[in-house]
Amino acid sequence: ETGVTQSPTHLIKTRGQQVTLRCSSQSGHNTVSWYQQALGQGPQFIFQYYREEENGRGNFPPRFSGLQFPNYSSELNVNALELDDSALYLCASSSGDFSYNEQFFGPGTRLTVL
Amino acid sequence: QKEVEQDPGPLSVPEGAIVSLNCTYSNSAFQYFMWYRQYSRKGPELLMYTYSSGNKEDGRFTAQVDKSSKYISLFIRDSQPSDSATYLCAMRYGAGNMLTFGGGTRLMVKP
Repeated sequence: ETGVTQSPTHLIKTRGQQVTLRCSSQSGHNTVSWYQQALGQGPQFIFQYYREEENGRGNFPPRFSGLQFPNYSSELNVNALELDDSALYLCASSSGDFSYNEQFFGPGTRLTVL
Repeated sequence: QKEVEQDPGPLSVPEGAIVSLNCTYSNSAFQYFMWYRQYSRKGPELLMYTYSSGNKEDGRFTAQVDKSSKYISLFIRDSQPSDSATYLCAMRYGAGNMLTFGGGTRLMVKP
Protein backbone atom coordinates (compact mmCIF):
# COMPACT_ATOMS: atom_id res chain seq x y z
CA GLU A 1 0.00 0.00 0.00
CA THR A 2 1.49 3.33 -1.09
CA GLY A 3 1.38 6.15 1.43
CA VAL A 4 0.72 9.82 0.79
CA THR A 5 3.26 11.36 -1.53
CA GLN A 6 3.92 15.01 -2.28
CA SER A 7 5.91 16.82 -4.94
CA PRO A 8 8.14 18.64 -5.19
CA THR A 9 10.10 18.17 -1.97
CA HIS A 10 11.50 21.68 -2.00
CA LEU A 11 10.66 24.78 -3.96
CA ILE A 12 12.08 28.29 -4.10
CA LYS A 13 9.99 31.10 -5.55
CA THR A 14 10.10 34.88 -5.53
CA ARG A 15 7.43 37.21 -4.21
CA GLY A 16 4.53 37.67 -6.60
CA GLN A 17 5.00 34.35 -8.39
CA GLN A 18 2.53 31.49 -8.46
CA VAL A 19 3.14 27.93 -7.28
CA THR A 20 1.43 24.55 -7.62
CA LEU A 21 2.00 21.76 -5.13
CA ARG A 22 0.85 18.20 -5.71
CA CYS A 23 -0.36 15.38 -3.52
CA SER A 24 -1.19 11.75 -4.21
CA SER A 25 -3.51 10.33 -1.62
CA GLN A 26 -3.18 6.92 -0.06
CA SER A 27 -4.88 4.11 -1.96
CA GLY A 28 -8.62 3.97 -1.16
CA HIS A 29 -8.76 7.47 0.35
CA ASN A 30 -11.22 9.99 -1.09
CA THR A 31 -10.56 12.97 1.18
CA VAL A 32 -7.54 15.25 1.02
CA SER A 33 -6.73 18.06 3.44
CA TRP A 34 -4.01 20.66 3.07
CA TYR A 35 -2.18 22.31 5.97
CA GLN A 36 0.45 25.04 6.21
CA GLN A 37 3.13 24.63 8.85
CA ALA A 38 5.34 27.66 9.48
CA LEU A 39 8.71 27.04 11.09
CA GLY A 40 8.35 26.21 14.77
CA GLN A 41 4.56 26.17 14.66
CA GLY A 42 1.81 23.60 14.37
CA PRO A 43 0.04 22.93 11.07
CA GLN A 44 -2.84 25.23 10.13
CA PHE A 45 -5.78 23.94 8.11
CA ILE A 46 -6.08 25.46 4.64
CA PHE A 47 -8.92 23.45 3.06
CA GLN A 48 -10.25 19.99 2.47
CA TYR A 49 -11.50 18.23 -0.66
CA TYR A 50 -13.95 15.36 -0.62
CA ARG A 51 -14.86 13.63 -3.88
CA GLU A 52 -13.55 16.55 -5.95
CA GLU A 53 -15.48 19.24 -4.04
CA GLU A 54 -14.09 21.74 -1.53
CA ASN A 55 -15.49 20.68 1.81
CA GLY A 56 -14.28 23.16 4.40
CA ARG A 57 -11.81 26.01 4.41
CA GLY A 58 -9.63 27.58 7.06
CA ASN A 59 -8.71 31.23 7.47
CA PHE A 60 -6.71 31.59 4.26
CA PRO A 61 -7.25 34.17 1.48
CA PRO A 62 -8.70 33.25 -1.94
CA ARG A 63 -5.25 33.27 -3.52
CA PHE A 64 -4.94 29.81 -1.94
CA SER A 65 -6.95 27.48 -4.14
CA GLY A 66 -7.08 23.79 -4.86
CA LEU A 67 -8.31 20.96 -6.98
CA GLN A 68 -9.04 17.31 -6.48
CA PHE A 69 -8.98 14.95 -9.43
CA PRO A 70 -11.09 11.81 -10.14
CA ASN A 71 -8.24 9.64 -8.82
CA TYR A 72 -8.42 11.72 -5.59
CA SER A 73 -4.99 13.26 -6.04
CA SER A 74 -4.93 16.97 -5.32
CA GLU A 75 -3.21 20.25 -6.10
CA LEU A 76 -2.70 23.32 -3.98
CA ASN A 77 -2.21 26.56 -5.90
CA VAL A 78 -0.98 29.77 -4.37
CA ASN A 79 -1.03 32.99 -6.39
CA ALA A 80 0.79 36.27 -5.73
CA LEU A 81 3.23 34.67 -3.31
CA GLU A 82 4.16 36.62 -0.19
CA LEU A 83 7.19 36.19 2.06
CA ASP A 84 4.93 34.84 4.82
CA ASP A 85 3.88 31.97 2.55
CA SER A 86 7.26 30.36 3.25
CA ALA A 87 6.36 27.17 5.10
CA LEU A 88 6.04 23.40 4.97
CA TYR A 89 2.86 22.46 3.11
CA LEU A 90 1.38 19.19 4.27
CA CYS A 91 -1.18 17.06 2.55
CA ALA A 92 -3.21 14.49 4.48
CA SER A 93 -5.57 11.89 3.11
CA SER A 94 -8.31 9.93 4.79
CA SER A 95 -11.23 7.72 3.86
CA GLY A 96 -14.91 8.09 4.57
CA ASP A 97 -16.99 11.17 5.00
CA PHE A 98 -17.67 13.30 8.06
CA SER A 99 -16.74 10.66 10.57
CA TYR A 100 -13.40 10.26 12.14
CA ASN A 101 -10.87 8.44 10.10
CA GLU A 102 -7.18 8.80 10.64
CA GLN A 103 -5.53 11.40 8.48
CA PHE A 104 -2.30 10.12 6.96
CA PHE A 105 0.16 12.89 6.30
CA GLY A 106 2.68 13.13 3.50
CA PRO A 107 6.25 14.35 4.05
CA GLY A 108 5.37 17.86 2.90
CA THR A 109 6.69 20.37 0.40
CA ARG A 110 8.97 23.04 1.79
CA LEU A 111 8.29 26.35 0.03
CA THR A 112 10.68 29.26 0.35
CA VAL A 113 9.57 32.65 -0.94
CA LEU A 114 12.36 35.19 -1.50
CA GLN B 1 -5.19 33.97 22.12
CA LYS B 2 -4.76 30.73 20.20
CA GLU B 3 -7.46 28.08 20.45
CA VAL B 4 -4.90 25.43 21.42
CA GLU B 5 -1.84 26.26 23.53
CA GLN B 6 1.20 24.04 23.89
CA ASP B 7 4.55 24.71 25.54
CA PRO B 8 7.14 24.76 22.73
CA GLY B 9 9.96 23.37 24.86
CA PRO B 10 12.50 22.09 24.13
CA LEU B 11 12.08 19.45 26.80
CA SER B 12 15.23 17.48 27.51
CA VAL B 13 15.07 14.26 29.56
CA PRO B 14 17.38 11.31 30.21
CA GLU B 15 16.63 7.93 28.67
CA GLY B 16 14.13 5.97 30.75
CA ALA B 17 12.39 9.04 32.18
CA ILE B 18 8.63 9.56 32.22
CA VAL B 19 7.67 12.42 29.94
CA SER B 20 4.58 14.57 30.37
CA LEU B 21 3.36 16.70 27.46
CA ASN B 22 0.37 19.00 27.82
CA CYS B 23 -2.06 21.17 25.88
CA THR B 24 -4.80 23.51 26.94
CA TYR B 25 -7.66 24.64 24.76
CA SER B 26 -10.31 27.32 24.93
CA ASN B 27 -13.16 25.99 22.77
CA SER B 28 -15.42 23.55 24.59
CA ALA B 29 -16.84 22.42 21.22
CA PHE B 30 -13.77 20.26 20.61
CA GLN B 31 -14.73 16.62 21.02
CA TYR B 32 -11.91 14.56 19.55
CA PHE B 33 -8.33 14.81 20.74
CA MET B 34 -5.19 13.50 19.12
CA TRP B 35 -1.47 13.41 19.62
CA TYR B 36 0.86 13.38 16.64
CA ARG B 37 4.61 12.81 16.52
CA GLN B 38 6.65 14.64 13.92
CA TYR B 39 10.24 13.78 13.18
CA SER B 40 12.44 16.33 11.47
CA ARG B 41 11.59 16.71 7.77
CA LYS B 42 8.66 14.29 8.05
CA GLY B 43 4.90 14.62 8.16
CA PRO B 44 3.04 14.13 11.46
CA GLU B 45 2.05 10.58 12.40
CA LEU B 46 -0.85 9.77 14.68
CA LEU B 47 0.10 8.36 18.08
CA MET B 48 -3.09 8.50 20.11
CA TYR B 49 -6.72 9.38 19.56
CA THR B 50 -9.30 9.89 22.30
CA TYR B 51 -12.87 11.04 22.44
CA SER B 52 -14.07 11.05 26.01
CA SER B 53 -12.56 12.35 29.21
CA GLY B 54 -10.31 9.90 30.99
CA ASN B 55 -7.23 7.88 30.14
CA LYS B 56 -6.30 5.78 27.14
CA GLU B 57 -3.22 3.61 27.12
CA ASP B 58 -1.24 2.17 24.21
CA GLY B 59 2.06 0.56 25.06
CA ARG B 60 4.36 3.18 26.58
CA PHE B 61 1.94 5.99 25.74
CA THR B 62 -1.00 7.22 27.82
CA ALA B 63 -3.33 9.99 26.66
CA GLN B 64 -5.41 11.83 29.22
CA VAL B 65 -8.32 14.19 28.56
CA ASP B 66 -9.97 16.47 31.11
CA LYS B 67 -12.79 18.25 29.31
CA SER B 68 -13.90 20.12 32.42
CA SER B 69 -10.48 21.79 32.64
CA LYS B 70 -9.94 21.88 28.85
CA TYR B 71 -6.63 20.13 29.34
CA ILE B 72 -5.07 17.14 27.61
CA SER B 73 -1.85 15.28 28.33
CA LEU B 74 0.38 12.65 26.78
CA PHE B 75 2.61 10.57 29.02
CA ILE B 76 5.53 8.58 27.67
CA ARG B 77 6.97 5.90 29.94
CA ASP B 78 10.51 4.55 29.67
CA SER B 79 11.41 7.21 27.13
CA GLN B 80 13.89 6.26 24.41
CA PRO B 81 16.23 8.36 22.24
CA SER B 82 14.01 7.36 19.30
CA ASP B 83 11.18 9.29 20.99
CA SER B 84 13.08 12.52 20.25
CA ALA B 85 10.71 14.47 18.02
CA THR B 86 8.16 17.25 18.06
CA TYR B 87 4.84 16.27 19.63
CA LEU B 88 1.73 17.99 18.38
CA CYS B 89 -1.63 17.93 20.05
CA ALA B 90 -4.61 18.30 17.75
CA MET B 91 -8.35 18.43 18.19
CA ARG B 92 -11.47 18.66 16.11
CA TYR B 93 -15.17 19.37 16.37
CA GLY B 94 -17.75 16.64 15.98
CA ALA B 95 -18.11 16.66 12.22
CA GLY B 96 -15.56 16.77 9.47
CA ASN B 97 -11.87 16.17 9.65
CA MET B 98 -10.49 19.69 10.12
CA LEU B 99 -7.81 19.51 12.77
CA THR B 100 -6.73 22.38 15.00
CA PHE B 101 -3.16 21.87 16.16
CA GLY B 102 -1.12 23.18 19.04
CA GLY B 103 2.26 24.67 18.28
CA GLY B 104 4.15 21.49 19.18
CA THR B 105 6.61 20.57 21.93
CA ARG B 106 10.10 19.53 20.95
CA LEU B 107 11.30 16.57 23.02
CA MET B 108 14.90 15.41 23.30
CA VAL B 109 15.67 12.12 25.05
CA LYS B 110 19.36 11.81 25.84
CA PRO B 111 21.06 8.37 26.06
